[in-house]
Amino acid sequence: DAKTTQPNSMESNEEEPVHLPCNHSTISGTDYIHWYRQLPSQGPEYVIHGLTSNVNNRMASLAIAEDRKSSTLILHRATLRDAAVYYCILRDPGGSQGNLIFGKGTKLSVKP
Amino acid sequence: DGGITQSPKYLFRKEGQNVTLSCEQNLNHDAMYWYRQDPGQGLRLIYYSQIVNDFQKGDIAEGYSVSREKKESFPLTVTSAQKNPTAFYLCASSIDQGRTYNEQFFGPGTRLTVL
Repeated sequence: DAKTTQPNSMESNEEEPVHLPCNHSTISGTDYIHWYRQLPSQGPEYVIHGLTSNVNNRMASLAIAEDRKSSTLILHRATLRDAAVYYCILRDPGGSQGNLIFGKGTKLSVKP
Repeated sequence: DGGITQSPKYLFRKEGQNVTLSCEQNLNHDAMYWYRQDPGQGLRLIYYSQIVNDFQKGDIAEGYSVSREKKESFPLTVTSAQKNPTAFYLCASSIDQGRTYNEQFFGPGTRLTVL
């Protein structure tokens, strides 16, 4: 499975935008980019996913570089409830297990 | 409300005892998964099941066992053979295993401590 690289931690102020980067230089043409987040002492929750085009949903936006070697998760206005560990995950449609390969993610702190 | 339930939230056991963690989903999902999370780490796959009466080992299956007798239930047994069982255990499900864009839904987790 292709690997992803994320900063260990980031800080943001409440109500400001947050850009969480992810590098995936070995991504294959068929890998989807998924983002999940995990609040303290809870199970992860799905945030967003994309393949080539930028994506928007009610939680966040996903900006994918033209060469697909990096992507950025954008939280438009951070709230205290957005403080979590954010995981960038590549998922191969040909993968046999179907599970998600989690790295250590980025721990986002939000200051009031 | 549809979702995944795991019980109990906290579990304490003595070393050498087997313990079974419960996972139930009412989402009508075919695929179910068990992950383990250690402090400060990402999740690692223990077992997964694509369909009733079928399951496969994940990356760290040694010392664990599962069953899938019903679509909605996927219990995990942590046996005495598991050398470091203290961890946070997460169960997840998805519509099926094959489609990569299927999101996985996670339960709230069970924190197991072996004394």
